[in-house]
Amino acid sequence: DVKVTQSSRYLVKRTGEKVFLECVQDMDHENMFWYRQDPGLGLRLIYFSYDVKMKEKGDIPEGYSVSREKKERFSLILESASTNQTSMYLCASSLRGTLFYEQYFGPGTRLTVT
Amino acid sequence: QKEVEQNSGPLSVPEGAIASLNCTYSDRGSQSFFWYRQYSGKSPELIMSIYSNGDKEDGRFTAQLNKASQYVSLLIRDSQPSDSATYLCAVNKMNRDDKIIFGKGTRLHILP
Repeated sequence: DVKVTQSSRYLVKRTGEKVFLECVQDMDHENMFWYRQDPGLGLRLIYFSYDVKMKEKGDIPEGYSVSREKKERFSLILESASTNQTSMYLCASSLRGTLFYEQYFGPGTRLTVT
Repeated sequence: QKEVEQNSGPLSVPEGAIASLNCTYSDRGSQSFFWYRQYSGKSPELIMSIYSNGDKEDGRFTAQLNKASQYVSLLIRDSQPSDSATYLCAVNKMNRDDKIIFGKGTRLHILP
């Protein structure tokens, strides 16, 4: 059974703070993804990673960075949080290089920036 | 043209009836298709995957794929109030690594 966990369910930060969101998966998946989800806009890909120390920009990378030092862990960093980064953040993982691309999501972190 | 399109709903279906959710996609080379269920305030949960034309059944759920029409659907038989959720359709992009593209979802409401 795939398990993806995220460090916090709810987080409140102030404008300008540096924010770290952590994601861990236990299925030895190569791929990991960070999305944000906002009403009316759906899921938008921020960054993804195919392997340790590898990262690729998604559709909305501005204001974010990522780190993948270990295969099971993928961190999303908000360098200087802004109110427009208030959102639900979702981490997902999947196997690499197969036809199937099934992504499994963590429970999400609802971030509020004040 | 949006890459993955779904009617936003809400789709209201009486309890016990069949709920039919539809999705169209633009990339003709797509090979993998997924349905996720998302309850309010929760994360998406994968409920069906389909890779070849035709029907795939899993319990009360049936996924249908028609690649010629670039159309994928999800049928939920004997709808229950617990099926009330947003259903996301997702499609892989051909030759674009392992990413999948999500539709914005259809809200389904099962009427008791």
